[in-house]
Amino acid sequence: DSGVTQTPKHLITATGQRVTLRCSPRSGDLSVYWYQQSLDQGLQFLIQYYNGEERAKGNILERFSAQQFPDLHSELNLSSLELGDSALYFCASSPYALAGVGDTQYFGPGTRLTVL
Amino acid sequence: GQQVMQIPQYQHVQEGEDFTTYCNSSTTLSNIQWYKQRPGGHPVFLIQLVKSGEVKKQKRLTFQFGEAKKNSSLHITATQTTDVGTYFCAGRYGGSQGNLIFGKGTKLSVKP
Repeated sequence: DSGVTQTPKHLITATGQRVTLRCSPRSGDLSVYWYQQSLDQGLQFLIQYYNGEERAKGNILERFSAQQFPDLHSELNLSSLELGDSALYFCASSPYALAGVGDTQYFGPGTRLTVL
Repeated sequence: GQQVMQIPQYQHVQEGEDFTTYCNSSTTLSNIQWYKQRPGGHPVFLIQLVKSGEVKKQKRLTFQFGEAKKNSSLHITATQTTDVGTYFCAGRYGGSQGNLIFGKGTKLSVKP
């Protein structure tokens, strides 16, 4: 158990809909990262938040957005869903804003999103 | 864009055989991390390599970072069924502010 929690575990929805995925980082970690894992694309970094502020952006679509709240939990919002958005969405947390010698990312169990 | 190529995509071994997965980048990496993801599980951090030519060992696992910091390898000696899973490398470019770029992983299966 990494200490990172994600809800829900599974989500099934239809094309065009909007969903929200939730992540609670490990106690004391200030950074939250979101990743998308699909069969053909592997693990894709989407976005990072540190202490409530957006820190880095990866391959995140404009239909997707995220935020980190004062209690440090984060939400990833996916809208106008398409079939291709079906994937595992992981969040990870770390204590650091910047990578350093001790940087480690602790992954949550993931949310499996299925778009029908 | 920046890419980390990882080979092979799949590896099937008999228990007791060795296993190696390789990662390559066309440009220099700041550091590289390795993760293991068990079937149905989430990626778990194994190690980070930072220095040119660095070699680190964890029991039967040996991690290497190339002299030019463009490639890395993970070698498992005498595989066991508990080694089953997908091994990912993740390279960081652009110093401490760069994002992690994951390879597509090597899926290891071990036949008892």
